[in-house]
Order: sequence, then C-alpha cells, then structure tokens
Amino acid sequence: QQQVKQSPQSLIVQKGGISIINCAYENTAFDYFPWYQQFPGKGPALLIAIRPDVSEKKEGRFTISFNKSAKQFSLHIMDSQPGDSATYFCAASGSPGGGADGLTFGKGTHLIIQP
Amino acid sequence: GAVVSQHPSWVICKSGTSVKIECRSLDFQATTMFWYRQFPKQSLMLMATSNEGSKATYEQGVEKDKFLINHASLTLSTLTVTSAHPEDSSFYICSGEDRGLSFGYTFGSGTRLTVV
Repeated sequence: QQQVKQSPQSLIVQKGGISIINCAYENTAFDYFPWYQQFPGKGPALLIAIRPDVSEKKEGRFTISFNKSAKQFSLHIMDSQPGDSATYFCAASGSPGGGADGLTFGKGTHLIIQP
Repeated sequence: GAVVSQHPSWVICKSGTSVKIECRSLDFQATTMFWYRQFPKQSLMLMATSNEGSKATYEQGVEKDKFLINHASLTLSTLTVTSAHPEDSSFYICSGEDRGLSFGYTFGSGTRLTVV
C-alpha cells in the first residue's frame, strides 16, 4: 500500500520558472513532512520540512504548502535553475525525535530545468 | 549539522560472498538507524530499523538472515549482505536519527552494490 502519492513523475521547467511537485498522504498519524533532493549516485539531502501546525514554510527559493484537511502538501521551487535538476522525493513519518517510524517516501519526481 | 558517513561508496562482489556496509554518525548520536534500498529510478524502500543495543526490526518481505544489521553503538551501524546474489544489486542508504535533537533524518551518501 502506497501511503504517499507523488506527482508528477517527471517535470520539465524553463530556467527562472516555478517548479511545483505535489504529494498526498493517507496515514493521519503522519506529522512530519520533509522534501529531499537526490542527485545520481548520492544519498538524499534534506531540502525543507514542515509539521502540520503550519500551512506554509519558506526557505530561500523553496516553499512547502501544507493542507491538513486535504492531506496534501507540495513543494514550490521559485526561480528554478539548471542546478536544481535532480530527483525530488516527498516523505512522511511520525516526528523525528519522538518515535522511530522511518520515512515513507513518494515515488519521486525527476525534475529537469532547461537553460 | 548532523553528518552520517557511509562506506564503501561502491562495491563489486562475487555471487555467494558477503558484503559489509558501515554507517557512522560523526557529530551526533544515532539512537535509531534506518536502512533503505533503492533500485534504479525508483524510490527508497525502508528495509529495517535498528535501535542501539537491540535487535533490528525488519519490514515485511525483507529477509533478516540475508540482511544482518548490527547497531552496537550510538555512532556505528552496519549492514551485512550475506550470500549475495545478483538480485541484491542495489543502492543501499542508511539514515540516522537523534531523538534528542530535531535534525530530522540524516542520510548517508549511499553504497552501490553490484553482485556479479
């Protein structure tokens, strides 16, 4: 059972545009929602994370929007750059530090930023 | 920030041999270590969860006798792939969690295992 659904599977955006990736979850016990960036042959790196007590979090060009009632969250990358070309994963779990659930990952979005 | 050092970054082994992958938390104590497997162009799948000093908990479908996990200290966890076969070829990634801090889950750089 896939508990975190991610879309789109692939995305092409022009340089300077906005990249938007969406995720939906099923488990209402989830309360930690991170986004990871992964380059080929590397481990995932945390980009930004949110907890359900806020509806939006912004760090630089990256913004998470969170809709608790719809059980959806999304990543917005503003002013997308060629260096942002990577695979992005959304994930969810119980809060780190308060449990040991591990992360449930979405299937990933392969993002290409065209110069 | 928190760092997890994972070694080796890649390894090629013959079918039937065993391979050990190490993950060390360098500047925090990893109370819990998670091990994931990632096939090409796919997502990360949780294999097992280990807490320091106790037996690992394996996800459904993961053979505990094939994937031996040891978490003997708060800074070191190992995954040993025993009697490796070509179908075990994959990218293995560890992730450490420090329950006393809010760094989230810190991932290692991954190990590319190829069994020939």
